[in-house]
Amino acid sequence: AAGVIQSPRHLIKEKRETATLKCYPIPRHDTVYWYQQGPGQDPQFLISFYEKMQSDKGSIPDRFSAQQFSDYHSELNMSSLELGDSALYFCASSRGLARLETQYFGPGTRLLVL
Amino acid sequence: RKEVEQDPGPFNVPEGATVAFNCTYSNSASQSFFWYRQDCRKEPKLLMSVYSSGNEDGRFTAQLNRASQYISLLIRDSKLSDSATYLCVVNERGNQFYFGTGTSLTVIP
Repeated sequence: AAGVIQSPRHLIKEKRETATLKCYPIPRHDTVYWYQQGPGQDPQFLISFYEKMQSDKGSIPDRFSAQQFSDYHSELNMSSLELGDSALYFCASSRGLARLETQYFGPGTRLLVL
Repeated sequence: RKEVEQDPGPFNVPEGATVAFNCTYSNSASQSFFWYRQDCRKEPKLLMSVYSSGNEDGRFTAQLNRASQYISLLIRDSKLSDSATYLCVVNERGNQFYFGTGTSLTVIP
């Protein structure tokens, strides 16, 4: 079965650079979530989209922005990167509200900021 | 105070043992509860949702206690393949989810 696809899988950037992470949800899933997981930490909810509209906002820094496109894929744009942004970024998708439907995670993008 | 708290462990148990994890949440209005499993450097995968009446899936049993605001996961007859980090996840409202820090389990031959 098709799963959530994230690209790139690994990314190395330098401080103050920008990065764009992409997420392709499972077909027919209309909700996308972004999480940040630092080393040895739990995933922190950043932001979610439902039907191309932002549905919830968590601990996403102002330097980050995200959107969901008409084909339901989502992009997380990160600017002025800092060393502390080094983390594993997961995208998850669900069909409708994930408190009612299972949330499936992608394999993650590992970002290293030097 | 974190929204969701777990004992990080590690729990080291022999094969065949029974092990239980607890997780507490701070918001009494929380609506949905889940246990996820995360293997090293991999994505979290849903293990089971947790319902008020409790639910069982094979060797795994999940319980929810709304009065005391905690959920539990019981693993019976532990297998080597059960070694992982178990994450407690709580949905307070909408599409926002809070993860616990995870409980590390190692099953020893």
